[in-house]
Amino acid sequence: QSALTQPRSVSGSPGQSVTISCTGTSSDVGGYNYVSWYQQHPGKVPKLMIYDVSKRPSGVPDRFSGSKSGNTASLTISGLQAEDEADYYCCSYAGTYNVVFGGGTKLTVL
Amino acid sequence: QVQLVQSGSELKKPGASVKVSCKASGYSFTTYAMNWVRQAPGQGLEWIGWINTNTGSPTYAQGFTGRFVFSLDTSVSTAYLQINSLKAEDTAVYYCARGFSPIMYFDYWGQGTLVTVSS
Repeated sequence: QSALTQPRSVSGSPGQSVTISCTGTSSDVGGYNYVSWYQQHPGKVPKLMIYDVSKRPSGVPDRFSGSKSGNTASLTISGLQAEDEADYYCCSYAGTYNVVFGGGTKLTVL
Repeated sequence: QVQLVQSGSELKKPGASVKVSCKASGYSFTTYAMNWVRQAPGQGLEWIGWINTNTGSPTYAQGFTGRFVFSLDTSVSTAYLQINSLKAEDTAVYYCARGFSPIMYFDYWGQGTLVTVSS
């Protein structure tokens, strides 16, 4: 199972929007609506930000949104804030009770 | 409130074994799957697999079969990850994470356990 492909880094200024892509195949991202996104600050535990492609858990700001088109899922963060600076990981169900993560994207808030 | 509390850091020699525990509280333990995720120093998240807390049936990701073993003690709501024949490249933080439906996403995570393999 190959890792999902994410850009190594993205950046944006406070108040701007950024989008992080997550590309897989028809066997994972494209085949199921079970993409999730996790935020991880340095030295901290990953936190669920988006599940089932576009749903937000309670407590996650609505600045965070998810979508999917074909084999690529996306996480969009609007109204960037300093505290959004972190690593972001996508994750997808890959069939037969298997899961695959993306390589991670470092978000820098300029 | 849901909590997953893991055992403390471990320093092991190559070839040894280690057993990491993950004690759950605040929910019915057998209702949700338990997953294990690895993060090597400076690297990304890597899914090791999951265990059905109702049946005890484990599923291991590719590359994690053979030396990695999941187990449970449902009487104390605890999941375990044992790694045998440790190698230097097993040095990582290991997380347990509660799985929903059963592995579509991970809503609660343990604090992580650092396993260091060094001679």
